Amino acid sequence: DTGVSQDPRHKITKRGQNVTFRCDPISEHNRLYWYRQTLGQGPEFLTYFQNEAQLEKSRLLSDRFSAERPKGSFSTLEIQRTEQGDSAMYLCASSLGTSGMVTDTQYFGPGTRLTVL
Amino acid sequence: AQSVTQLDSHVSVSEGTPVLLRCNYSSSYSPSLFWYVQHPNKGLQLLLKYTSAATLVKGINGFEAEFKKSETSFHLTKPSAHMSDAAEYFCVVGGFMDTGRRALTFGSGTRLQVQP
Repeated sequence: DTGVSQDPRHKITKRGQNVTFRCDPISEHNRLYWYRQTLGQGPEFLTYFQNEAQLEKSRLLSDRFSAERPKGSFSTLEIQRTEQGDSAMYLCASSLGTSGMVTDTQYFGPGTRLTVL
Repeated sequence: AQSVTQLDSHVSVSEGTPVLLRCNYSSSYSPSLFWYVQHPNKGLQLLLKYTSAATLVKGINGFEAEFKKSETSFHLTKPSAHMSDAAEYFCVVGGFMDTGRRALTFGSGTRLQVQP
């Protein structure tokens, strides 16, 4: 079990630039989640995939955000035209689920810390 | 909409004394409830979860939580704190939002300090 990995661990960018983060889930897990965590707060749910299908999207996921999981394995989260308010830790999690996703045990990666200057 | 409130942002205990981290939730449906722990520079780790089975749930590292529907609470306890328990703890509710969408909602966290 190699765990959930995320790349990069840190990203510093200028306002207006595009950034892309990658998440590699635990290999046999069919579900993958993205969260955003700002300082002093708990993670906020962004989106959820079951295999390659994106099944849930939070209202936090504005048009500038897009997530993909093209082959049901790794996932990417892209932020276009970054804003200073996008500065946060972006967390990825995965789970092996056969029933409702809200009962799954999710395994989290270490996160990607984004700083927008 | 579902929500979760962690009643204390910081809790400080002495090593060897009991730990109580308080959590209240709101949900229109039968929720799933979780406690996760986040150590500095480490990923979130599940401590325990409640999914409509036994109301007293035992987790890892001696932690347990009791689901009390009448009080809409899911407090986390441990009989004796250890220095390694110092971390951020998150209470999480899972269920359906008013929009019909499924989601997990995290509390804002409780930072546990353990004094020697």
